[in-house]
Amino acid sequence: AQTVTQSQPEMSVQEAETVTLSCTYDTSESDYYLFWYKQPPSRQMILVIRQEAYKQQNATENRFSVNFQKAAKSFSLKISDSQLGDAAMYFCAYIIGGATNKLIFGTGTLLAVQP
Amino acid sequence: KAGVTQTPRYLIKTRGQQVTLSCSPISGHRSVSWYQQTPGQGLQFLFEYFSETQRNKGNFPGRFSGRQFSNSRSEMNVSTLELGDSALYLCASSPTGGASYEQYFGPGTRLTVT
Repeated sequence: AQTVTQSQPEMSVQEAETVTLSCTYDTSESDYYLFWYKQPPSRQMILVIRQEAYKQQNATENRFSVNFQKAAKSFSLKISDSQLGDAAMYFCAYIIGGATNKLIFGTGTLLAVQP
Repeated sequence: KAGVTQTPRYLIKTRGQQVTLSCSPISGHRSVSWYQQTPGQGLQFLFEYFSETQRNKGNFPGRFSGRQFSNSRSEMNVSTLELGDSALYLCASSPTGGASYEQYFGPGTRLTVT
């Protein structure tokens, strides 16, 4: 079964602190891509970071980085120096490689940032 | 470059009616995917169109259909609306087919069925 599990429905972090959101996934495919999307109250889905499964190096985008553990099928997101604007729902997702754009999403983690 | 646009942004319909939602992708993008977002089921893939052809379909009843035009704009249609169809419908576009390309999402259409 193709599933994504986000075990933390809600998280809270103090401004300027670091927080890690967890994600595990299940697929039997070897070629896939992993994503973290952010959905603020405006509901616009925004790509935060992506990781190609064939790459061993963890992806980094400014204050956002991932810890990709392929054998464990784990893909956590670390947000450093948290800002008030980081408050949003965060979704972990993946796509199987090939000619398809079907994203499989997790249930999301609602992140609150405390001033 | 303009982003993905969806119209209308909000819609209220009555059970049994039908509805058509529209999605205009980013200029040059040929792939459009549709997703349904509800509090109970989360984000679920509806279907994807590429070059006017449906390339992939999610597990939704036949009341949900879509199409894509030659300019890559896409519409989705829901017939015989049910209360459970109330949701945020998101579309996403990408340059071509293939998982390696980022999908850009529109702001969504909020459908309420009464």
